[in-house]
Amino acid sequence: DTGVSQNPRHKITKRGQNVTFRCDPISEHNRLYWYRQTLGQGPEFLTYFQNEAQLEKSRLLSDRFSAERPKGSFSTLEIQRTEQGDSAMYLCASSLNRDYEQYFGPGTRLTVT
Amino acid sequence: GENVEQHPSTLSVQEGDSAVIKCTYSDSASNYFPWYKQELGKGPQLIIDIRSNVGEKKDQRIAVTLNKTAKHFSLHITETQPEDSAVYFCAARVRDSGGYQKVTFGIGTKLQVIP
Repeated sequence: DTGVSQNPRHKITKRGQNVTFRCDPISEHNRLYWYRQTLGQGPEFLTYFQNEAQLEKSRLLSDRFSAERPKGSFSTLEIQRTEQGDSAMYLCASSLNRDYEQYFGPGTRLTVT
Repeated sequence: GENVEQHPSTLSVQEGDSAVIKCTYSDSASNYFPWYKQELGKGPQLIIDIRSNVGEKKDQRIAVTLNKTAKHFSLHITETQPEDSAVYFCAARVRDSGGYQKVTFGIGTKLQVIP
């Protein structure tokens, strides 16, 4: 399967803990996006990368959130000092370039207790 | 910023009937309109898309129409099957002031196809 993969698929953590998610995009895709999806809503944009450069961050991305794509391949999204309001599905998507369609991974479902 | 409204929020149809989902967008600069299907526990899957220079596009049982003047676009599924049951999202993409092609999603339509 050469689609977008995300790990872990599920994460349960206690409030205040740090969590890190990983996304592996489709291999030749230059752009990588992170979205957050809460129950009954569409995905909301968080941030995106062109190769290793982080080019845009949503105001939804508080200073507790950080994302990296160190070698322009996989990306990580870290949430520090998690809060219950962080509970959501975190989706990663990739595209060949800016004018091309985005392909989504299966998501990481985060539950903060 | 762009605002995408989608309706209905839920839709039940009998197997074999057609289903129509409608979306409106606010930013006339939006130039690309993808539709995604999301099944339970999975990420959204692109099923069809349309660009602003085209009024209609069809792929087997799925078609999308775009009315740029009215800022409306719609998804049409004909001869629905139980496996079409899922949540469908419309989206609109616009290049913002920074050059980023931002995608804004609708709230989703939960489609149930009754056998």
